[in-house]
Order: sequence, then structure tokens, then C-alpha cells
Amino acid sequence: SQKIEQNSEALNIQEGKTATLTCNYTNYSPAYLQWYRQDPGRGPVFLLLIRENEKEKRKERLKVTFDTTLKQSLFHITASQPADSATYLCAGTPSSGSARQLTFGSGTQLTVLP
Amino acid sequence: DVKVTQSSRYLVKRTGEKVFLECVQDMDHENMFWYRQDPGLGLRLIYFSYDVKMKEKGDIPEGYSVSREKKERFSLILESASTNQTSMYLCATKGRGTTEAFFGQGTRLTVV
Repeated sequence: SQKIEQNSEALNIQEGKTATLTCNYTNYSPAYLQWYRQDPGRGPVFLLLIRENEKEKRKERLKVTFDTTLKQSLFHITASQPADSATYLCAGTPSSGSARQLTFGSGTQLTVLP
Repeated sequence: DVKVTQSSRYLVKRTGEKVFLECVQDMDHENMFWYRQDPGLGLRLIYFSYDVKMKEKGDIPEGYSVSREKKERFSLILESASTNQTSMYLCATKGRGTTEAFFGQGTRLTVV
């Protein structure tokens, strides 16, 4: 079955460093990969989307890459701040017209230490 | 701004009770989803609906049913609550032809 895997359950980094989170997909080819942020006790909030024909996307301090050869997306937060501490979810979708799926990974809990 | 509202933030129910979780959206989105989220398992799709009165099973539909009588409202029903249904339940919506999902704040359900 199609699967999204986020290898690290938790990641601790020092304030000011770049956080890099990994998302791998298996058994399908998502047309889009999305990244969401989830704070404790809240629903996920959309951050960024990258299409399979895009290598890289940026938004302020966020950068996402999509490598179809490695079947992987990397999510970077540069100049990280304690306020960036949250769980980050990766999600794949087969096409924009598909109602059925986002397939989510289990998330990586990022803690930025002051 | 899209608003997705779930009826309760926290809910405690007894085993065997029938439980209703309500979700209302104000953006005229065709697609609505119910997920449950458990530690280490991520978000798992229970049911989704792509139109009024239309529904499809997700990955873990057993023990649940849904109702969509109006476009803006999608209800998740636990026919007979069990302790293994203790979880965080998340409703989401998505417009037709778009990719971004909008989530409600979640309902933390505890079945005792």
C-alpha cells in the first residue's frame, strides 16, 4: 500500500541552526507533497506544497525539495527559533483532482532549544 | 479564511455509548474527511465524502459511520464506543481541484 514515512520521530536542534526533516514515499508516485505544522492539541496547518516537476520551493525561512529519484522530500527551516517547535507532517497526494487522499506520515516532532 | 469547526474539543464517553462528532465548514468545499490521530501512527483516514450524501470508506472504517446531509456538515458516528476508539479525531476539508486541506481543531475523545 502507498506509504509516507518520516524517519525521525523527534529532532532537537539549537536555535539559529537549520532544521532538516525527511519524508520518504513508497509504493506510489505522488504528484504533490505537502508539509503541515501541528501544534499540541491543534489541527495541522498547511505550510508548503511542492509538485513532482519542481525541485525546490521556498517560503520565507522554509525550503522544501522533491527528489523523485530518491523518492524523498526534505523540509528545511533556516535560522530556527524556539517558536518553530512543533510537529511537522508530510503528506502526499496523487493529483489535484483526487478527493480521496492525502496520505500522511506520522510526523517529526521538532524542538528548537534556546 | 476557511473555518472548520468541530463541535467539541474534549469528550469523555462510556463504552457502548453512541457518539456523534460534528464538523462544520464555511468555505463551500466539496470534500470532507475524518481522520484519527494516534501516537506513532500518524493521521489515518476513517471516511471521506466528496459530495452531499456521498461517502467512501477510508483505511480504518470499522466501528464508524458517517453522515453528510448538507454540504457544510459532516458527522462521524461511533455506533458503540469502545476503549480502542480513544483518540484525537480531526475533520478536514478540501475544495475540488485543490490540494491544500484545512483542518478543524480536533476532538480528543476518551472512552472509559
